[in-house]
Amino acid sequence: RKEVEQDPGPFNVPEGATVAFNCTYSNSASQSFFWYRQDCRKEPKLLMSVYSSGNEDGRFTAQLNRASQYISLLIRDSKLSDSATYLCVVNGRTGTASKLTFGTGTRLQVTL
Amino acid sequence: EPEVTQTPSHQVTQMGQEVILRCVPISNHLYFYWYRQILGQKVEFLVSFYNNEISEKSEIFDDQFSVERPDGSNFTLKIRSTKLEDSAMYFCASSVSRDQPQHFGDGTRLSIL
Repeated sequence: RKEVEQDPGPFNVPEGATVAFNCTYSNSASQSFFWYRQDCRKEPKLLMSVYSSGNEDGRFTAQLNRASQYISLLIRDSKLSDSATYLCVVNGRTGTASKLTFGTGTRLQVTL
Repeated sequence: EPEVTQTPSHQVTQMGQEVILRCVPISNHLYFYWYRQILGQKVEFLVSFYNNEISEKSEIFDDQFSVERPDGSNFTLKIRSTKLEDSAMYFCASSVSRDQPQHFGDGTRLSIL
């Protein structure tokens, strides 16, 4: 099983649509979880942290299910500017530091 | 908003040459990282650095790689004898603590000829 697994997409949705991305991870000892977005040939940018209680930031909602080792991201009212690759990222604490393990990303294309 | 800065933005080097990639992490951050992304592939962890020493390194980070924090602000990645397969985007990141989100610089594109 891959360490962090995502559907690569692409997801093509019209403006205003709601779209959901899912991710599974293999290491049950993982400590923290994030969604990053990456535009073409740019750096990953933090979108939001993910908590078991679920958290919302504007049009974005993230959820973590530790028992199922499953992470989700919901985007409501999609905008053209949401077009990007969404990276599911798991932080495994190792000794004195940590390391991020990235999924391959899910590509979203929002169209008019 | 404070950011991680990386130089150069693009480095072209002949195979076998040494390269040094430079990063200035966010000033109050204590944990520093290097990642790389080969074109079309996922972002991969290379090394983490805390308290002036390497905390963990991946299998990619072999004897050709080294990191250094030569002063209070810079964090460098050196590749001693570059290979064609070292061609990639290299991202530096930093975080306040090991559980807080890591913030990434805009990367150095390394092209080995």
